[in-house]
Amino acid sequence: EAGVAQSPRYKIIEKRQSVAFWCNPISGHATLYWYQQILGQGPKLLIQFQNNGVVDDSQLPKDRFSAERLKGVDSTLKIQPAKLEDSAVYLCASSRGTLRANEKLFFGSGTQLSVL
Amino acid sequence: EDKVVQSPLSLVVHEGDTVTLNCSYEVTNFRSLLWYKQEKKAPTFLFMLTSSGIEKKSGRLSSILDKKELFSILNITATQTGDSAVYLCAGLNYGGSQGNLIFGKGTKLSVKP
Repeated sequence: EAGVAQSPRYKIIEKRQSVAFWCNPISGHATLYWYQQILGQGPKLLIQFQNNGVVDDSQLPKDRFSAERLKGVDSTLKIQPAKLEDSAVYLCASSRGTLRANEKLFFGSGTQLSVL
Repeated sequence: EDKVVQSPLSLVVHEGDTVTLNCSYEVTNFRSLLWYKQEKKAPTFLFMLTSSGIEKKSGRLSSILDKKELFSILNITATQTGDSAVYLCAGLNYGGSQGNLIFGKGTKLSVKP
C-alpha cells in the first residue's frame, strides 16, 4: 500500500514570497490533515478535511494560509505572503475515518520550509 | 487549554540500556493517548492506549496509561541505534465531530553504539 505522498521535500523562499505544498493521501482515506511542526515542537493541526469539505480550520492563519482538497483526494496548502515564523515542517496525514472512530493517522514525510 | 508535556526533552543512552519516556496530559474530553516515533520527518504510529493499567507491547517497546494520574510511559528495553528518534506523545480530544490530537514537544532519544 502506497503511503502519503508530499512534495516538494524542501523549499527555501524569501519572506513575502508565496509557496505551495502538495499532498496525495493513501487511497480510500476520507480524512486529510495538514500539520505545522516548528523545530523543537510537536505537530500542530492547521486544517482538517473530510472528503472535500473543511471540518476544522480553527488554527489556520487565514490571512495568509489557504488550503483546498481537489475532488476529495489531493490537497494543496498555500502560504501567501510568507513570514519568517512560517519556517517549519509541514506534515500531511490521512486516515480512513475520523479520530473519533479510533482511526490511525498515517503521515507523509513532510515539506521542510525555510523562510529567509 | 489542552496540553501534553513530555520529559525528558532529550536523552542519550548506550546500546543495551533500558529507557523510560514520560508523558503527562491535560486534555478535555480525553479519549486515548497515542505514541509516535519520528525519524527524520514522518511520524509513525506505535501505540494507542485507551484503558488505564493495561500494558501494550510491541517487541522491545511497551507502554501503559494511568488515567487517574493523567500519565503515560513508553519503555524501550535493550535499546539499539535504530531506536534513535524523536518520540511524540499525543492526547486525543474526543470533542467536536471529528476529534483532535494534541501533541507534546517530543523526547529526542539518541542511542550510542
